[in-house]
Order: sequence, then C-alpha cells, then structure tokens
Amino acid sequence: DTAVSQTPKYLVTQMGNDKSIKCEQNLGHDTMYWYKQDSKKFLKIMFSYNNKELIINETVPNRFSPKSPDKAHLNLHINSLELGDSAVYFCASSQERGGAGNTIYFGEGSWLTVV
Amino acid sequence: GQNIDQPTEMTATEGAIVQINCTYQTSGFNGLFWYQQHAGEAPTFLSYNVLDGLEEKGRFSSFLSRSKGYSYLLLKELQMKDSASYLCAVREGTDKLIFGTGTRLQVFP
Repeated sequence: DTAVSQTPKYLVTQMGNDKSIKCEQNLGHDTMYWYKQDSKKFLKIMFSYNNKELIINETVPNRFSPKSPDKAHLNLHINSLELGDSAVYFCASSQERGGAGNTIYFGEGSWLTVV
Repeated sequence: GQNIDQPTEMTATEGAIVQINCTYQTSGFNGLFWYQQHAGEAPTFLSYNVLDGLEEKGRFSSFLSRSKGYSYLLLKELQMKDSASYLCAVREGTDKLIFGTGTRLQVFP
C-alpha cells in the first residue's frame, strides 16, 4: 500500500484553467503538507495542516487553496493557472509536530505543466 | 533569514567515500534532516540530527554541529544506485522544513 498517494501524477493544462490535485495518507499521521519543486529542483513548503487546521501558509498566491476534509486528506486547488505554476507538487505527511518522530514522508509527486 | 547551502554537484567512484556538506543559517533551529531524491521520484528520508555529533545508519552517517551551523552526510562504499540528489533540510519550529537546493551526486564505475 502506498503511504502517501496523490493524483494525478501528470497533468498538462492550459493557462487560465482551474485544476485540483488530491492527496491521501494511510499512515495515521496528524500533519500534512504541500511542497512545490521548481525546475531548479528547489523544494519549498507551501502549506501545512494539522488535524484539518491550517498551520503554515507560506505567502502562496491566493489562487492556491488547500482543503483538508479530514486529517487523512489534503487537496490542492489552483485557480487561473499560470505558466509559472509548472512544477512538481509533492504532498507529504508526518506524525509528530517537532519531535524526533517528525519525519516527513513524501508522496510520489504530481507533475503539472501549464501550456 | 533562512539560508541553506550545499554544493550543487559532486562526483565519486564506486566503492569510494563521499562527504556532502551543508551549512545553514535559520531561526528557531529544531533539527536537521537529510533526504535522498532519485530523478523523477519523491524525496526519501535518510537521517535526522538534533544534537551535535554523528548518527550512523549503515553505509550512511550524518554529522551536526549546531554552533557552526554545519552538517555533513557521509556515504561509504558507494554504489551506482547512490547516484541521486541529496537534500539538506532544517526544521524551524515544530512543522516547517526548509530545504537546501540539493547536491546532485553522480557515481561512476
């Protein structure tokens, strides 16, 4: 079983469209994240939720809206897609907040290409 | 501010030892992680240091000096499959993991 799964894995879409990426974790973790990895492979945190509550929002444009219906799911909706949104989006989860067990486990990534 | 520096690329020979350095300047330091990322795949956890010293895990070891803002990842008995990017990441507070730009390691036969 995949621990952190996200769909779709590949997404090609036109500028201006709205798209969503879904993420689910079956690890029983309380905290989930969205990270963005750009073309230079720089991995940067976007959002974090703990038990459905938003705890990190890293000055991401408000075209990006995360939604956590329960602690096992964290979806990312993007409105009015722009060329610069092309990147790999990684969902991740962790058990503890700040403790030694707070290892972050990543999903396999969603490759978004905006044309 | 936040600043994490690693070499961009390194090369090494199969069977050799390689050390990947990471220096950081962050606020609220709460642990340092190393992740491995093969091309086209997700980052996977390698090691975690929160106290000064060396943590050994098989062929991989990680060292931390908090006073110097310095860590290294040591890979022994290199194998071809170790060719990947190695990401140094510092945790600020309880939840925020700040990544460096990664070091791309190529292992040659």
